[in-house]
Amino acid sequence: DAGVIQSPRHEVTEMGQEVTLRCKPISGHDYLFWYRQTMMRGLELLIYFNNNVPIDDSGMPEDRFSAKMPNASFSTLKIQPSEPRDSAVYFCASSFRAGGKLFFGSGTQLSVL
Amino acid sequence: QQQVKQSPQSLIVQKGGISIINCAYENTAFDYFPWYQQFPGKGPALLIAIRPDVSEKKEGRFTISFNKSAKQFSLHIMDSQPGDSATYFCAAYAGNNRKLIWGLGTSLAVNP
Repeated sequence: DAGVIQSPRHEVTEMGQEVTLRCKPISGHDYLFWYRQTMMRGLELLIYFNNNVPIDDSGMPEDRFSAKMPNASFSTLKIQPSEPRDSAVYFCASSFRAGGKLFFGSGTQLSVL
Repeated sequence: QQQVKQSPQSLIVQKGGISIINCAYENTAFDYFPWYQQFPGKGPALLIAIRPDVSEKKEGRFTISFNKSAKQFSLHIMDSQPGDSATYFCAAYAGNNRKLIWGLGTSLAVNP
C-alpha cells in the first residue's frame, strides 16, 4: 500500500479564495482524521470520520471549514473563504480501528497571503 | 486546556548521549500512551507505545518509562544518533471515543 496520500503538497492562495485539500486513506482503514499543525498550537484534531460518517467535528475552527468523505477512499477539507490565519500544515491520517495506530500523510503546507 | 504537558520544548544532545523527553497528564482515564516521531516535511509516525499497567517498555534504543502514581511518562533515547533528530510527540488515549490528546512536541537535535 502507498500509505495515506494527500494533495496538493503545497498550496499558496490569496485571502478570500477557496481552498480544497484532498486525502486518500489506506485501504481497509475505517477511520479518517484531519489535523492542523502550527508552531503555536501543535497538532489539532479538526474532524474525524468512521466508515465515511463524521463523528466529531468539534475541532473545526469555524463555519469556513468543511469536510466530506463521499466514499471510503476519498476525503476533502475545504476552507471558504480562506484567511491568513489558516496558514498551517494540514495532515490527513487513517487508522484501522478506534484508538489504533495512526498513519499520517505527508501533509499539505497551506499559505494564505 | 493542555491535558498532556510535554517538556522540554527543544533539546540538543551530543551523538552517543541519552535524550530524555518528559510528559505529564492529569486525566486518570487515559489508558494508552503512544509516542510519535516526526521528521521535517513528513507526518508523525508511531514510534513506541505503553499501557499504564506496565512500568517500562523498550524497543531497541527507545524506552518508555511510566510512573502511574505520579501521572508521568518519559521517552529515553539511548546512544542518540544524528538520524534521531526529529520532533517527538507524546500522546494519550481515553474514553470510548478514543480521541488522541497530544503534547506540544519536543524538537530534538543530535549533534554529530
